[in-house]
Order: sequence, then C-alpha cells, then structure tokens
Amino acid sequence: DSGVTQTPKHLITATGQRVTLRCSPRSGDLSVYWYQQSLDQGLQFLIHYYNGEERAKGNILERFSAQQFPDLHSELNLSSLELGDSALYFCASSPEGGFSYEQYFGPGTRLTVT
Amino acid sequence: AQSVTQLGSHVSVSEGALVLLRCNYSSSVPPYLFWYVQYPNQGLQLLLKYTSAATLVKGINGFEAEFKKSETSFHLTKPSAHMSDAAEYFCAVSAGANSKLTFGKGITLSVRP
Repeated sequence: DSGVTQTPKHLITATGQRVTLRCSPRSGDLSVYWYQQSLDQGLQFLIHYYNGEERAKGNILERFSAQQFPDLHSELNLSSLELGDSALYFCASSPEGGFSYEQYFGPGTRLTVT
Repeated sequence: AQSVTQLGSHVSVSEGALVLLRCNYSSSVPPYLFWYVQYPNQGLQLLLKYTSAATLVKGINGFEAEFKKSETSFHLTKPSAHMSDAAEYFCAVSAGANSKLTFGKGITLSVRP
C-alpha cells in the first residue's frame, strides 16, 4: 500500500459525458502527478501540481483539466469523453516538487467509455 | 527532448535464472533514470533510481541497474529470478529535476517454475 488513494476504482460512462477522478496523496506529500495508461500510448504524464499550483503539463488534452485543493487532494476532470479516453488513470505523489524524487503511485481508476 | 526504449515486450526466464531487462535512453542533459514495477491490478512501485551518484544502483527485491553513459543504457538485472518477480517493468527518464518523467513501453517478465 503506497498510501495514495484514488476513487473510484472503476468508472463506466458513455461518450460525451464528464467524469471526475479523485486522488488523495500520501500524508505530507505536496506534489500530485496524473498519468494515463493505455495499450496504445503506454504510460503518459498528464499534469503535475505542487502545493496547489500547476507545475508542469504533459500530453493532457484540452478536454481534461485538473486542480489541487488546499487539503492537497487533487481531481482530474475529463469532459466530452471519447472511446479513446478509455484507460487506467494513475495519480502519484511525492514529498517535493521535482521529477527526480520517488513518486508513489495509487492503484488507479479504470475508465471505460462506451 | 528525452525518450526511453525498452526492446521487446515480453521476457520469460526460469526460476533461479538471471533476469536482464534492457533500457536505453536519450537525453540532452545528464538524466535521472528509474525502474518501476507494476504487479497485476496495482499501481507502479519504484525499484531503483539513478541520480548521478554511483553508477551501479541497488534497489529493492535484489534488483540492480548499471548506468552506462557511453552506451546510454540503464539495464535492470537480478541474479536469480523468483516466481514473485513476474510483473511488468517500466524504465523511465527525466532530463533534469524539473523535467517530466517519460516512461518506456514496459516489459512483461514471466518466470517459469
């Protein structure tokens, strides 16, 4: 158990819909990272927040957005969903803001778009 | 720009045999290099990381990796495979502390009894 929690574990929704994925980092960790894992694209970095502020963006679509709240939990919002958005979405956390630190991964949310 | 190449998608070894998982990287600056393991239905777990200290890095569960700048490689090894090592292994690179992590495609390790 990494100490990172993600809810829900599974999500099934229809094309065009909007969903919110939630992540609670390990106690004391200030950084939250979001990743998408799919068979086509592999594991792709989406976005990084540090202590409430966006620090880095990766291959995140404009239909996706994220935020980190004062209590340090984070939410990833996916809208106008397409079939190709079906994937495992991981959240990871680390104590500091740089990518050289170990990232602790949550168990993931499996999103299925039908 | 940075990238990682993990050749092959699947490696099968016998229990007790040497495990060798290959990783080659590309980075315009001295990189940070990582190996992560993913067990079925779980998130990723860090095995080891290289951050410009010793070139031979020891990790958890008996794994180690050697950074070879001349070969731009960071291969993962374990002298004797265990059934519990069966999992997917990802190599990742970060070109500097403020540069995002880029993962390879991953290699599935199977261990035969």
